[in-house]
Amino acid sequence: KAGVTQTPRYLIKTRGQQVTLSCSPISGHRSVSWYQQTPGQGLQFLFEYFSETQRNKGNFPGRFSGRQFSNSRSEMNVSTLELGDSALYLCASSFIAGTGELFFGEGSRLTVL
Amino acid sequence: ILNVEQSPQSLHVQEGDSTNFTCSFPSSNFYALHWYRWETAKSPEALFVMTLNGDEKKKGRISATLNTKEGYSYLYIKGSQPEDSATYLCAFSRPGGGADGLTFGKGTHLIIQP
Repeated sequence: KAGVTQTPRYLIKTRGQQVTLSCSPISGHRSVSWYQQTPGQGLQFLFEYFSETQRNKGNFPGRFSGRQFSNSRSEMNVSTLELGDSALYLCASSFIAGTGELFFGEGSRLTVL
Repeated sequence: ILNVEQSPQSLHVQEGDSTNFTCSFPSSNFYALHWYRWETAKSPEALFVMTLNGDEKKKGRISATLNTKEGYSYLYIKGSQPEDSATYLCAFSRPGGGADGLTFGKGTHLIIQP
């Protein structure tokens, strides 16, 4: 069974640009969550999607957005990048929305210069 | 804002020794407590999901206990091996996930010394 796949794995952007990250969940999983990890911080919840609907959103500015497609694949977008957006972005899929065991991808490491 | 605290922040343990660390979480409106292991250059991997007060789960040399009334969980590793070196994360959830999704602690970074 294929795991959670995130692309791209690494990317470098400059301030003001925008970025789109992609996540393909485990087959059969309809819940996809996104988390941000910055140095010294725990995983910070960004948002969760289930069946193409955003269930929950964490405490992040509106520059952070996401969506989910009918095949459960998800994308997240960050517009007007700031230096502080440099982080590891982890996607996780789950069979159960909200509270189920999470299966994580390897992450997309974003560097903003 | 939910606070999930893990202690210690880091831990050096001699190979063969046993060790344990703590996760503290809000005791109100509790649904589940998760433990994940995150090895360097890999993705976090679930160890346990616990929901009932008094739950005790075991996977090989690793076990965990849960006290929802006082808001803490312990993770135990018996006879530590070098492959146990990783960051151990706990995460708390409320019924339905809530606005916070899974709230993670900052982790305990465990280093096993041969």
